[in-house]
Amino acid sequence: KQEVTQIPAALSVPEGENLVLNCSFTDSAIYNLQWFRQDPGKGLTSLLLIQSSQREQTSGRLNASLDKSSGRSTLYIAASQPGDSATYLCAVGGISGGYNKLIFGAGTRLAVHP
Amino acid sequence: DAGITQSPRYKITETGRQVTLMCHQTWSHSYMFWYRQDLGHGLRLIYYSAAADITDKGEVPDGYVVSRSKTENFPLTLESATRSQTSVYFCASSESPAYGYTFGSGTRLTVV
Repeated sequence: KQEVTQIPAALSVPEGENLVLNCSFTDSAIYNLQWFRQDPGKGLTSLLLIQSSQREQTSGRLNASLDKSSGRSTLYIAASQPGDSATYLCAVGGISGGYNKLIFGAGTRLAVHP
Repeated sequence: DAGITQSPRYKITETGRQVTLMCHQTWSHSYMFWYRQDLGHGLRLIYYSAAADITDKGEVPDGYVVSRSKTENFPLTLESATRSQTSVYFCASSESPAYGYTFGSGTRLTVV
């Protein structure tokens, strides 16, 4: 059974720091991996999607890498801003019965203070 | 408006009552999903669907019923609500397994 772990569970940093959020998964037979952002009381916003054949994806100040063989992904946030404060969720996609089902980690709660 | 919408946004219901949460998407995505989010458990899959009239159970399906008579709608029904079903419910859709998911804004359900 696929299990997804995110470390750290919470992070508080001053504005301007470069950050690394970690995601690990137990079964390397994944289809893709998706990073989401969730603001308090809100839904999930997709940040980056990495297919199993890819090594990384970039969007603005965000860069996500994937090492499928070691069961790891990292989300790198450059020059953090207070507006980046949110919970970041990693979700691993695995094909079963024709569906790509996402298994989520518990998230990393990020606070960026001015 | 284009996108995926859930209704109601908030709902309070009594134990034993039937309640239906609605999910509507405008993209004609084939795949739709229902998740619940709870402290200590994260997001867990309740039911999913690959097309109209095709549904399957996820990780925590007990006490829930789904239907998908039209591609764009995927309602979730709690047949007899229990306090343990107090949660935030998210609907999601996807064009195909190769693409990511898009989530709705969620329904916060409280069962008293």
